[in-house]
Amino acid sequence: GENVEQHPSTLSVQEGDSAVIKCTYSDSASNYFPWYKQELGKRPQLIIDIRSNVGEKKDQRIAVTLNKTAKHFSLHITETQPEDSAVYFCAASTGTASKLTFGTGTRLQVTL
Amino acid sequence: DAGITQSPRHKVTETGTPVTLRCHQTENHRYMYWYRQDPGHGLRLIHYSYGVKDTDKGEVSDGYSVSRSKTEDFLLTLESATSSQTSVYFCAIRGGLIYNEQFFGPGTRLTVL
Repeated sequence: GENVEQHPSTLSVQEGDSAVIKCTYSDSASNYFPWYKQELGKRPQLIIDIRSNVGEKKDQRIAVTLNKTAKHFSLHITETQPEDSAVYFCAASTGTASKLTFGTGTRLQVTL
Repeated sequence: DAGITQSPRHKVTETGTPVTLRCHQTENHRYMYWYRQDPGHGLRLIHYSYGVKDTDKGEVSDGYSVSRSKTEDFLLTLESATSSQTSVYFCAIRGGLIYNEQFFGPGTRLTVL
């Protein structure tokens, strides 16, 4: 089955700096890659996603890049703000059922 | 929040007792999923459903069963709860038309003593 690895497990940046979280996947058939943000005690919230036929997608301060050849994808957050502090999960999906395999999460802390 | 509710939101039970968690959706989505979340493991798929009475296993299905007798309800049952099943359980629906986005319910925190 699919295996998703996520790094780093923790990341601390100063407000205004950029943050990058990286994930690799194992199944070349995976074709959909969402990113979720989870605040303490809350449900995971979808923040951005990308399909395998696209190399990059941007939504305001967040962007995702995908390298199919290397089987890795990354989340980029620019101009970080304290409200960006949360745990971020990457995931990969394959097949008609769209079963998601998640990475183990990155705890992002944005300090003032 | 995609019209998803979960009940109960919190439950404490004892080892060996049966437990049923309910996921309810109001928007007639075909696909529903149960995940568990544990520290260091992210979220892992337990079971999923692709229609009424149509279900299949995920990566951590041992010790769990599911049922879906109506489109709006997806039940997760622990036949005989064990301490290793202490976790936060999230239900999700596939709500996207193009990219198959999944949206999560509020979660159920289950403690098995």
